[in-house]
Amino acid sequence: QQQVKQSPQSLIVQKGGISIINCAYENTAFDYFPWYQQFPGKGPALLIAIRPDVSEKKEGRFTISFNKSAKQFSLHIMDSQPGDSATYFCAASSLSSYKLIFGSGTRLLVRP
Amino acid sequence: GAVVSQHPSRVICKSGTSVKIECRSLDFQATTMFWYRQFPKQSLMLMATSNEGSKATYEQGVEKDKFLINHASLTLSTLTVTSAHPEDSSFYICSANGARTNYGYTFGSGTRLTVV
Repeated sequence: QQQVKQSPQSLIVQKGGISIINCAYENTAFDYFPWYQQFPGKGPALLIAIRPDVSEKKEGRFTISFNKSAKQFSLHIMDSQPGDSATYFCAASSLSSYKLIFGSGTRLLVRP
Repeated sequence: GAVVSQHPSRVICKSGTSVKIECRSLDFQATTMFWYRQFPKQSLMLMATSNEGSKATYEQGVEKDKFLINHASLTLSTLTVTSAHPEDSSFYICSANGARTNYGYTFGSGTRLTVV
């Protein structure tokens, strides 16, 4: 119930392409779904987050798509750049517990 | 934006010694602070949750006596790894949330602990 499943484990995209990372959850109490970017040796940095009252949120090249009925959400990185090469984590939490549960991570490599 | 400072960024210690890691919210009062552990190429594993002035809540399987957490003020939490062993070597990351972060989570930059 507490798990957040993330796929793919790794992803290689050409510069300018679209990177898509998917996550699925089971706990219907989750009401906050952030995506984090992490570079080696650094802490995670918040990219974008969504709450279940909307189906999509866009910030610059990053878009979250949220499907409440399917209990799935995804991150789309448009016009991917080599500087986007990092590990991306989806996560989920609920107001009742404030615990942030992380997905397993996706290592993205954007080739020049 | 909300900033969380974590110190030190790297530490090497000998087996059997204790190491303290500090986590500070620089420009906001952190209602809650969280401590995570991350092994290479793996995800973040929540170790414990702490609220100012109260005892930390540890996740299942995390040894309270080995990983001492103190949340003495609304801007400072510390994690002390006691009697460290090589298997405690890991990347430790704190995060904090509060009204300033709209109750989102701001992470520190992490501490690489190596026990030799």
